[in-house]
Amino acid sequence: DIVMTQSPDSLAVSLGERATINCKSSQSVLYSSNNKNYLAWYQQKPGQPPNLLISWASTRESGVPDRFSGSGSGTDFTLTISSLQAEDVAVYYCQQYFSTPYTFGQGTKLEIK
Amino acid sequence: QLQLQESGPGLVKPSETLSLTCTVSGGSISSSSYYWGWIRQPPGKGLEWIGSIYYSGSTYYNPSLKSRVTISVDTSKNQFSLKLSSVTAADTAVYYCGRFLEWLSPLDVWGQGTTVNVSS
Repeated sequence: DIVMTQSPDSLAVSLGERATINCKSSQSVLYSSNNKNYLAWYQQKPGQPPNLLISWASTRESGVPDRFSGSGSGTDFTLTISSLQAEDVAVYYCQQYFSTPYTFGQGTKLEIK
Repeated sequence: QLQLQESGPGLVKPSETLSLTCTVSGGSISSSSYYWGWIRQPPGKGLEWIGSIYYSGSTYYNPSLKSRVTISVDTSKNQFSLKLSSVTAADTAVYYCGRFLEWLSPLDVWGQGTTVNVSS
């Protein structure tokens, strides 16, 4: 199984400041034949299901604010929120879909400082 | 707009079988390329993929649960189902159903989730 490890486990950022969450996979999730990273980011607010923010490591889903961005390749990935808003308080998960079993990171809890 | 809704008992006794159904509305479960799956989240913990199914009936399970899991599809009802046998307290979780746009893709649509407690 591919192990996904996020850092930090929790993060407190001031409103309007940048938030950065890291995700590391135990093996590469870059498929060489199409040069795509099989890595997604989800946002989960209390009492709600996860919501897909970013797929293919850096492709924002429709309707996701452009303050959210994803970067990285191979085994190291980053989710950046450029200017934190109050509604961004949530737990964020990375997930690899390079191979089954699909696996998720342990989650990063983002709060307002 | 595609919607998924989980249904089933909220309480299951240890050693019994957990059974849940996901009803798909606003689209066809038989649409080509889509896969359908189950994810669970124990209280206060992270997410675990349980397994996926294609409308043809092809299934893919997490090896950690494979011996206890059965996922099936009923295209006439636009539903797919999960059975997890020999449950223990460790199977207490929120169970989500979801859609994968294709094989090896993220879940782009999730149900609201249903809480299942395993307790006598």
